[in-house]
Amino acid sequence: GAGVSQSPSNKVTEKGKDVELRCDPISGHTALYWYRQSLGQGLEFLIYFQGNSAPDKSGLPSDRFSAERTGGSVSTLTIQRTQQEDSAVYLCASSPGVGPSTDTQYFGPGTRLTVL
Amino acid sequence: AQSVTQLDSHVSVSEGTPVLLRCNYSSSYSPSLFWYVQHPNKGLQLLLKYTSAATLVKGINGFEAEFKKSETSFHLTKPSAHMSDAAEYFCVVSAMDTGRRALTFGSGTRLQVQP
Repeated sequence: GAGVSQSPSNKVTEKGKDVELRCDPISGHTALYWYRQSLGQGLEFLIYFQGNSAPDKSGLPSDRFSAERTGGSVSTLTIQRTQQEDSAVYLCASSPGVGPSTDTQYFGPGTRLTVL
Repeated sequence: AQSVTQLDSHVSVSEGTPVLLRCNYSSSYSPSLFWYVQHPNKGLQLLLKYTSAATLVKGINGFEAEFKKSETSFHLTKPSAHMSDAAEYFCVVSAMDTGRRALTFGSGTRLQVQP
């Protein structure tokens, strides 16, 4: 597709359940980022994938959060045993990773997660 | 380490009047600077980007920003506001940090445009 896509667009879950959020980056982009945007807050970095390198997980808030990137393309962010404070919009971005626009990130529309 | 400060959380202007959204940054490295816009229930859209080619950067929808190294500022301007400009605007600094291209977002400025 032309841009970054994310699914689902909205997810409502009960406290304690696991959720999976999906991101399809722009084709050919080697770098992929996950961010979290809580109500009234700026963006909080979660995790970064670059090619086949080990991911940078330094932004993950707890061990309930994990992410994978299969085949260097699609990524899944998993939140286990969700808590109400996990409610936020989760944004995915991708960038070329190389070349003159290497640090320009293109964002998906986000997944709005609500934990009841 | 790097940081971004957006000096105004809310800005309100009348349609047809100029827009000024202020941003100051700090970075230990030579940064790239961006402005992104987020319309309600929409994703983040890149408005413009500064690398090092020119200090005055023109973006989409008539916006531009000037990089002033001496003031560590990257303020966003538009000569004449349009109703469709009402949105949240984020100033972003990007620099290499521990091997990763790290983006640091400001807290955002909500632009309101009055008819």
